[in-house]
Amino acid sequence: QLVLTQSPSASASLGASVKLTCTLSSGHSNYAIVWHQQQPEKGPRCLMKVNSDGSHNKGDGIPDRFSGSSSGAERYLIISSLQSEDEADYYCQTGGTAIQVFGGGTKLTVL
Amino acid sequence: EVQLVESGGGLVKPGGSLRLSCAASGFTFSNAWMSWVRQAPGKGLEWVGRLKRKADGGTTDYAGAVKGRFTISRDDSKNTLYLQMNSLKTEDTAVYYCAAGLGTTDFDYWGQGTLVTVSS
Repeated sequence: QLVLTQSPSASASLGASVKLTCTLSSGHSNYAIVWHQQQPEKGPRCLMKVNSDGSHNKGDGIPDRFSGSSSGAERYLIISSLQSEDEADYYCQTGGTAIQVFGGGTKLTVL
Repeated sequence: EVQLVESGGGLVKPGGSLRLSCAASGFTFSNAWMSWVRQAPGKGLEWVGRLKRKADGGTTDYAGAVKGRFTISRDDSKNTLYLQMNSLKTEDTAVYYCAAGLGTTDFDYWGQGTLVTVSS
């Protein structure tokens, strides 16, 4: 069964960096995933697609502070030089032939 | 600029029906794979279903929780996506988002959502 696992929360200080993790279920470690950001009271925004080899394709207008990488079944979202507007929920997402799956989301707090 | 604007949400009784619309602009709508995603109050994102573009067969896929009750359709001449929701349950209460896949992902762009409340 295709499942994405995320930690419920993370925090980091203004100006610092943070690495969020999304783990693919067993048997699906070669899947690409997509990171989405949802700021409070807003619709989600697509940040980037992260492939199993660590390459990533960012969405329109996504700042260079956002990057992605991979290791085995884990996919990462790295945000550097944290700003207050980065405080948001971050969801990873992937799909099979006839299904799309979202992780439970990570709430990022910028201290 | 890509824009997706959902409408049609509201309060409906259990067992009732509702049709949501998503008006698209800023891209070639007929080329997009279109999806609906929902978010229950205080919860995470849940995929509802997807409709491929006609050039790729125009087929639909649905999440198990809505299969047989919800139908996704599109009118490419009006640049509009629809979600027909029948036999609504209280657990269908959520903000419903439409999303457009333009080649990179299924969810390259998102709308702002419309709230559906199912309650007696």
